[in-house]
Amino acid sequence: RKEVEQDPGPFNVPEGATVAFNCTYSNSASQSFFWYRQDCRKEPKLLMSVYSSGNEDGRFTAQLNRASQYISLLIRDSKLSDSATYLCAVNHPESNYQLIWGAGTKLIIKP
Amino acid sequence: EAQVTQNPRYLITVTGKKLTVTCSQNMNHEYMSWYRQDPGLGLRQIYYSMNVEVTDKGDVPEGYKVSRKEKRNFPLILESPSPNQTSLYFCASSNSGSKLFGPGTRLTVL
Repeated sequence: RKEVEQDPGPFNVPEGATVAFNCTYSNSASQSFFWYRQDCRKEPKLLMSVYSSGNEDGRFTAQLNRASQYISLLIRDSKLSDSATYLCAVNHPESNYQLIWGAGTKLIIKP
Repeated sequence: EAQVTQNPRYLITVTGKKLTVTCSQNMNHEYMSWYRQDPGLGLRQIYYSMNVEVTDKGDVPEGYKVSRKEKRNFPLILESPSPNQTSLYFCASSNSGSKLFGPGTRLTVL
């Protein structure tokens, strides 16, 4: 089993819809969780850190489920500009600096 | 503006010709790292550095070298590039868990 797993997609979603995807992690000792956005052939950019209590930033909501060991990202009222690959990252249990990356979920928003 | 810069952005080279990809950050971050990204494989860490003169292997270090003589710079060296090192390379830095990435270097080895 991979340490961090994501459904590669692509998720094809009509503009305006709500879409959610998950990222599962294998090590229960991990403490830091992140969602990154990556546009085609560009660098990953931090979208949100994921806190135990969950957090929201505009149309984006991130949640952590420690019992089931996954994090989720919800996008409401999706825009064409949300089309990208979304990477999750989880800290290595022995180092807060080292991250373990998922391979990404590709999201395509259609007009 | 906080940033990580990489040079060159694009490079086409031939097998065996030594090359260096530079990485520089202006945030006084202690931690820097190099990744390669290939289709379907995601980001794989090559090397990382926790501070000046401290470097460690990541998941795929074979065929690469790094150095950290100054805090701001972390060059990636390919002594004898091979076609399987054709990839998209990212440098990243941080002072905590989340990372700031450079714009990437697309390397093709013929």
